[in-house]
Amino acid sequence: KAGVTQTPRYLIKTRGQQVTLSCSPISGHRSVSWYQQTPGQGLQFLFEYFSETQRNKGNFPGRFSGRQFSNSRSEMNVSTLELGDSALYLCASSLGLLQDTQYFGPGTRLTVL
Amino acid sequence: GDSVTQMEGPVTLSEEAFLTINCTYTATGYPSLFWYVQYPGEGLQLLLKATKADDKGSNKGFEATYRKETTSFHLEKGSVQVSDSAVYFCALTSPYNQGGKLIFGQGTELSVKP
Repeated sequence: KAGVTQTPRYLIKTRGQQVTLSCSPISGHRSVSWYQQTPGQGLQFLFEYFSETQRNKGNFPGRFSGRQFSNSRSEMNVSTLELGDSALYLCASSLGLLQDTQYFGPGTRLTVL
Repeated sequence: GDSVTQMEGPVTLSEEAFLTINCTYTATGYPSLFWYVQYPGEGLQLLLKATKADDKGSNKGFEATYRKETTSFHLEKGSVQVSDSAVYFCALTSPYNQGGKLIFGQGTELSVKP
């Protein structure tokens, strides 16, 4: 069974631009979660989508948004990029059951100049 | 709120040495506990998990036991290899957070020398 895939793997943007990242979950998984990984803050939860609905949200500004499609694929959008948004963005999928195991993709490395 | 604390790294060991990476947690109720590993330039891979007290998770020679009385989930391996060099993350999910929200420790970098 194919794993979680994320596209693109690398992105370079400039301040003020916006960016969209994509995540395809493991087949049959209905939950997709997004995390931001930085050297200073570590791994932080952004949000989770289940059956096209946001089910959980972390403490990030409204510039960070996401959505999920009927095939469970998810996109994450960051508007008005700031230098501090440079990070590895990781997507994880699961069946969506309570306390279910999450499986991670390889991540998208975003650099904001 | 819920939190996870790991021992600080980097940890440097010689091949075939015994490994312990300490992990303690703070959570309400009975969280599920996980260890993930991240190799350079990659995402996170699930190493092992435990879902209730006294459960032992194991995989690839790594073990961790869910200790409710000490709120700990320490990772151990009897004989490390150079290929085990990576960053290890302890994490939990709370039964009171609807859906998937992993709370991670800060990560412990392991370097194994031949």
